[in-house]
Amino acid sequence: GIQVEQSPPDLILQEGANSTLRCNFSDSVNNLQWFHQNPWGQLINLFYIPSGTKQNGRLSATTVATERYSLLYISSSQTTDSGVYFCAVRDTGKLIFGQGTTLQVKP
Amino acid sequence: NAGVTQTPKFRVLKTGQSMTLLCAQDMNHEYMYWYRQDPGMGLRLIHYSVGEGTTAKGEVPDGYNVSRLKKQNFLLGLESAAPSQTSVYFCASSYSSQWGGYTFGSGTRLTVV
Repeated sequence: GIQVEQSPPDLILQEGANSTLRCNFSDSVNNLQWFHQNPWGQLINLFYIPSGTKQNGRLSATTVATERYSLLYISSSQTTDSGVYFCAVRDTGKLIFGQGTTLQVKP
Repeated sequence: NAGVTQTPKFRVLKTGQSMTLLCAQDMNHEYMYWYRQDPGMGLRLIHYSVGEGTTAKGEVPDGYNVSRLKKQNFLLGLESAAPSQTSVYFCASSYSSQWGGYTFGSGTRLTVV
């Protein structure tokens, strides 16, 4: 099955800093999502982005399917951005998750 | 919009007890999934369903059973709970197997003592 690797595993930022999270996958996919799991455990859809670039406020994502990676950009980070960021790809109808990047934004 | 609703939100079981977790979605999605999340790990697929009356095994199915008698509901059962099943359980649904996003419920925190 498809392997999904995220980097870095942990990230600490000062409020206002920018960051880039990376997701690599081992095979071609036609479906990729980014999720944010907040400190209360809730999984929030950020982007459904099988290819191309999307932006939503301070967050944006780019997927280059031919090169098997996706990037999540967080600009002007806020403490509410803290939590775990997961990317997930479809493999024969099932969503396979990476291990996540744990982000801590300090005030 | 309710989306995906999981009940209960919290539960403590004794080893050997049984219970059923309920997942309900109101988006007319064909596909439904049960995941578990353990500390420091991503989500792992337990079982899934591609439509009413169907179920299939995921990555970690042992110790669990599921049923999809109605399109909107997906039940996860533990017949004889074990401490290794202490976890947070998430249900999800999607419209298609090939495109479109998943919607997740808010999770059920289960502790087996």
